[in-house]
Amino acid sequence: ETGVTQSPTHLIKTRGQQVTLRCSSQSGHNTVSWYQQALGQGPQFIFQYYREEENGRGNFPPRFSGLQFPNYSSELNVNALELDDSALYLCASRLPSLGGYTFGSGTRLTVV
Amino acid sequence: GQQLNQSPQSMFIQEGEDVSMNCTSSSIFNTWLWYKQDPGEGPVLLIALYKAGELTSNGRLTAQFGITRKDSFLNISASIPSDVGIYFCAGQWEEGAQKLVFGQGTRLTINP
Repeated sequence: ETGVTQSPTHLIKTRGQQVTLRCSSQSGHNTVSWYQQALGQGPQFIFQYYREEENGRGNFPPRFSGLQFPNYSSELNVNALELDDSALYLCASRLPSLGGYTFGSGTRLTVV
Repeated sequence: GQQLNQSPQSMFIQEGEDVSMNCTSSSIFNTWLWYKQDPGEGPVLLIALYKAGELTSNGRLTAQFGITRKDSFLNISASIPSDVGIYFCAGQWEEGAQKLVFGQGTRLTINP
């Protein structure tokens, strides 16, 4: 039990569609990050939210967007899906103090 | 995207053997983290290192933060079957910084 819950666990979408992935963090974890993990690779940073504001972004296009809510939940939205978007999407959260990020089990997205 | 250089990419060992893997970077990091990922799961934090030269243990696991702040290693002593999985190093530039930079992972396979 990691305390970070992601839904759905698996998803299949068609190229060009839009998708919303969800994450629920532990209480008090006001920093949440999203990562994309392609098969056989390490996770790549997409963006981070702190107190409902985006405060950092990796090399991902604007069609990747997010939201963070006051109840420590968050969303990752991807528009105009491409085949290369197929990956495991990971949500990670942390407390404001020292400590590593706690990751969820991820959402496996397949774009066909 | 940017990644750390992690080696070896894979290891095949006998149960009971010791394991060593390392991570190098062209950039300085102020925090090094080691994660383990099982199939279908997100990465789980094993050890966090916050100071250059720091040597930290967690059971049979020992990790060190290199003096140059550009490298780290992880050792596993007396390996057991549940150690099987993919191990990732991750670097962070400063506490509270936006992102973790991950290595490509080391896949550990253990022959009983």
